[in-house]
Amino acid sequence: DVKVTQSSRYLVKRTGEKVFLECVQDMDHENMFWYRQDPGLGLRLIYFSYDVKMKEKGDIPEGYSVSREKKERFSLILESASTNQTSMYLCASRKGGGWGYTFGSGTRLTVV
Amino acid sequence: EDQVTQSPEALRLQEGESSSLNCSYTVSGLRGLFWYRQDPGKGPEFLFTLYSAGEEKEKERLKATLTKKESFLHITAPKPEDSATYLCAVQALARAGNMLTFGGGTRLMVKP
Repeated sequence: DVKVTQSSRYLVKRTGEKVFLECVQDMDHENMFWYRQDPGLGLRLIYFSYDVKMKEKGDIPEGYSVSREKKERFSLILESASTNQTSMYLCASRKGGGWGYTFGSGTRLTVV
Repeated sequence: EDQVTQSPEALRLQEGESSSLNCSYTVSGLRGLFWYRQDPGKGPEFLFTLYSAGEEKEKERLKATLTKKESFLHITAPKPEDSATYLCAVQALARAGNMLTFGGGTRLMVKP
């Protein structure tokens, strides 16, 4: 089975800090995604990537950037964390041309 | 704009009490509809993909059906271990990257 691993389950960061969320998948999938999940708002797409060094904005990219230097790794960067970025962050991957996603376990980020 | 609405937001059932969850969608051409299960503090886990109206899929006590406007997830004789949030998502033909649009989820609680 495909495994998608997010490096941290829980993070607490201070306002203004630069935050890195890491995601690694082990099945050579071309496509990777970052979502945030908030009560009442569901999952919202932040960024996605078709391939190495390729990235596209999702529905809510403001305040975030991403990096994909290697096929298996997709990083989400909060350049200057703010309290409204407190959320559950979910990474997912999918084989190119494939269908459903495989999700990681999530990172619950709290910005204080 | 693609839209997915799930109802009810929360559902309490007694063990053995069958019921259905609803997912209504509006998309400009449906490529696929997905159901996921999410346990607290974890990432969503894939359940089913449905591609065309009239299609049905089953897995243990769960059965997913699809019409041109909605999908139902039928739960027959649920057990406490079926308690989770169930997410519905659609993949539209026109949307770049074959990305998924998620509904807000239905939180199911099954009491023994």
